[in-house]
Amino acid sequence: ETGVTQSPTHLIKTRGQQVTLRCSSQSGHNTVSWYQQALGQGPQFIFQYYREEENGRGNFPPRFSGLQFPNYSSELNVNALELDDSALYLCASSVGTATETQYFGPGTRLLVL
Amino acid sequence: GENVEQHPSTLSVQEGDSAVIKCTYSDSASNYFPWYKQELGKGPQLIIDIRSNVGEKKDQRIAVTLNKTAKHFSLHITETQPEDSAVYFCAAPSGGSYIPTFGRGTSLIVHP
Repeated sequence: ETGVTQSPTHLIKTRGQQVTLRCSSQSGHNTVSWYQQALGQGPQFIFQYYREEENGRGNFPPRFSGLQFPNYSSELNVNALELDDSALYLCASSVGTATETQYFGPGTRLLVL
Repeated sequence: GENVEQHPSTLSVQEGDSAVIKCTYSDSASNYFPWYKQELGKGPQLIIDIRSNVGEKKDQRIAVTLNKTAKHFSLHITETQPEDSAVYFCAAPSGGSYIPTFGRGTSLIVHP
């Protein structure tokens, strides 16, 4: 059984650019949630994908968008990057949406200059 | 929505001592309380969780207690070891939701 994987591990972008982060869910998991973790803070929920549809969204602007593919992997896209977008982006997978138990990947560290 | 407060922000102990981290939550409908351990450069790892129908749960050296009346829950680590050094997060989902709200984290440092 493989765990949650994310790519890339690190990324440097400049303000105004766009970025795509990728996540492969744990084997057998069909739900992916994305979180933003600023330095010294707990993870903040961005959105969740289930069966290729967005299934809940946190307090993030529309320039944060996502996709889920038939194999349950997922992408997080951020347009018009701002300095405050610098953070660790985590994805977590779970089985279905009616479950609290989530398994996190190692994250992608994004730095916006 | 849910509001989760976590204390202390930093906890320094000697190897072998016990460590206690406390969290309070605001939504009385919350019924699931996980604890995560995050080591440097890694994602959070679920270490123990408790549901609202029990008051305490143990797993070897770690335990979690829950007081639903007071809306607080605590993580207890006994016989701490240097490898317990990490940031620990509590979380609670808002009632009716399975999306957790996280505390701000506690940096636990265990000195050999």
